[in-house]
Amino acid sequence: AQSVTQPDIHITVSEGASLELRCNYSYGATPYLFWYVQSPGQGLQLLLKYFSGDTLVQGIKGFEAEFKRSQSSFNLRKPSVHWSDAAEYFCAVGEGSTLGRLYFGRGTQLTVWP
Amino acid sequence: DGGITQSPKYLFRKEGQNVTLSCEQNLNHDAMYWYRQDPGQGLRLIYYSQIVNDFQKGDIAEGYSVSREKKESFPLTVTSAQKNPTAFYLCASSRDRVGDIAKNIQYFGAGTRLSVL
Repeated sequence: AQSVTQPDIHITVSEGASLELRCNYSYGATPYLFWYVQSPGQGLQLLLKYFSGDTLVQGIKGFEAEFKRSQSSFNLRKPSVHWSDAAEYFCAVGEGSTLGRLYFGRGTQLTVWP
Repeated sequence: DGGITQSPKYLFRKEGQNVTLSCEQNLNHDAMYWYRQDPGQGLRLIYYSQIVNDFQKGDIAEGYSVSREKKESFPLTVTSAQKNPTAFYLCASSRDRVGDIAKNIQYFGAGTRLSVL
């Protein structure tokens, strides 16, 4: 069965510092990978996605992620964090000919110090 | 504006009561999903539907029921059999077509927070 692991429950960074959120997945074939962000009490917003092709994908709000098949990873990065980036971040994997249901990690809560 | 509307935003359930959470979308999406979110648990799939009048259980369907009588609507009922219903519930929808899979991305509503009185 598919699974997604986000090893860091909570990360704290200073504003302006770089950020990397880790995501590892378990899936036999080429996965479809996503990062979503959730502000408190809100729904999820798609940050970026990987389907195929270039393994470095760009998303909204200055985020990027790199797909590494050899490490089964899809880590999210941002060179310089802003206070407004404080939120919860979820990695997810989809599958199949129509994508279908998603499997989510448990999330990483990001706190940004001023 | 196209989107997914969940209502109510907050809901309180009394002991032994069934409550229904509404989810409506005007995106002309084929598939709709219900997720439950608990702190530190991520999102867990309750039910999903890929077509009208058909739906499948997800990973935590016990104590919940759904219907899909219209393409636009996918209400979730939390029954009295669900002993721990306090959670944040998220509805999502997506296109569900073969080909150009990049268009089958899931979009989420703003959620309903359910608490027990």
